[in-house]
Amino acid sequence: EAGVTQSPTHLIKTRGQQVTLRCSPISGHTSVYWYQQALGLGLQFLLWYDEGEERNRGNFPPRFSGRQFPNYSSELNVNALELEDSALYLCASSPRDRSHNEQFFGPGTRLTVL
Amino acid sequence: QQQVKQSPQSLIVQKGGISIINCAYENTAFDYFPWYQQFPGKGPALLIAIRPDVSEKKEGRFTISFNKSAKQFSLHIMDSQPGDSATYFCALPHYSGAGSYQLTFGKGTKLSVIP
Repeated sequence: EAGVTQSPTHLIKTRGQQVTLRCSPISGHTSVYWYQQALGLGLQFLLWYDEGEERNRGNFPPRFSGRQFPNYSSELNVNALELEDSALYLCASSPRDRSHNEQFFGPGTRLTVL
Repeated sequence: QQQVKQSPQSLIVQKGGISIINCAYENTAFDYFPWYQQFPGKGPALLIAIRPDVSEKKEGRFTISFNKSAKQFSLHIMDSQPGDSATYFCALPHYSGAGSYQLTFGKGTKLSVIP
């Protein structure tokens, strides 16, 4: 069974630019979660999508947004990039009919903002 | 928002020793305590989890213990091996209204097991 995939692997942007990160969940999973993992801060919850709808949002500004497509893949968009947005962005998926708590993570996208 | 305090931040253990990582939480009811393991360059993966109706769960060399009165749960790694060297995260589910949900992670413990 293929795992969660994310693209790109690495990304370098400059302040003020916009970036789009992509995630494909495990086949059959309908929920997708996005996390930011900055150095020393652990995993910070960003967004949860299920069945194409945004179900919950963490304490991040509106310039962090996303969407989920009919095939359950997802995009995370970050506008007006700031230096502190440099982090590993992780996507996770889970099946809707099981406990929300078991999440399967992708390898992440490393974003560097210069 | 639910807070979870994880300690220590880093841990060095001799091969064969016991690694102990603790997580303390605030006064919120929840139904699940997962621990995730993350190797460098990889995303976290679920290692072991416990429900609050039991005080301990063991899977191989990994044991979770839960102390409800102290609002704390711990991960014990027995006979620690160099291959266990990774970052470990505890997590708590946080449910709010209208089916909203999020998983709150501790800040992680970087474990190094030396031969």
